[in-house]
Amino acid sequence: AQRVTQPEKLLSVFKGAPVELKCNYSYSGSPELFWYVQYSRQRLQLLLRHISRESIKGFTADLNKGETSFHLKKPFAQEEDSAMYYCALKLYSGAGSYQLTFGKGTKLSVIP
Amino acid sequence: GAGVSQTPSNKVTEKGKYVELRCDPISGHTALYWYRQSLGQGPEFLIYFQGTGAADDSGLPNDRFFAVRPEGSVSTLKIQRTERGDSAMYLCASSFFSGANVLTFGAGSRLTVL
Repeated sequence: AQRVTQPEKLLSVFKGAPVELKCNYSYSGSPELFWYVQYSRQRLQLLLRHISRESIKGFTADLNKGETSFHLKKPFAQEEDSAMYYCALKLYSGAGSYQLTFGKGTKLSVIP
Repeated sequence: GAGVSQTPSNKVTEKGKYVELRCDPISGHTALYWYRQSLGQGPEFLIYFQGTGAADDSGLPNDRFFAVRPEGSVSTLKIQRTERGDSAMYLCASSFFSGANVLTFGAGSRLTVL
């Protein structure tokens, strides 16, 4: 089965400390992965995708096919980073259809 | 509108009743997705529309759930004979292209079945 695992439900770090949100995936094809974020009282929104190799709000994520991981990292956490973070895997479901399958999410809490 | 609009934002109903949840995607977005999110879980795929047709309905949990998008814009998720286990946040998302690359989500409709 194709799936996404986020092992931590809650991660607390101090402001200025490094952050790493873990994501592992299981997929038989060539994976395409995303990180979505939901800030308090806001909508779920795209943070970044591996195919773009971008850094957004200081966050980066590298796809490691050997370890089947796509961990989200930031060298210095800020209070405004506190949010729910979801890792998502794009699945091809046949006949030109795609869907995203999401992990259960990790709540990041940055302590001032 | 500027974003994906979902109505109602909150719906409380009794077990056995019929419910409709509406999604108005971003204008011009041809792809539309419905997800369900239970407490403490990530969004769970329900159905995907490309234009007017349901391209993938493999996530619908049973035949009490049905969705339509008759004109390729607004979509309605319909739940018959609601059960307490249907209580969840129902999220709609749209995308300019098919392919689930960048999804823009609505604020969701929170359904509570008493």
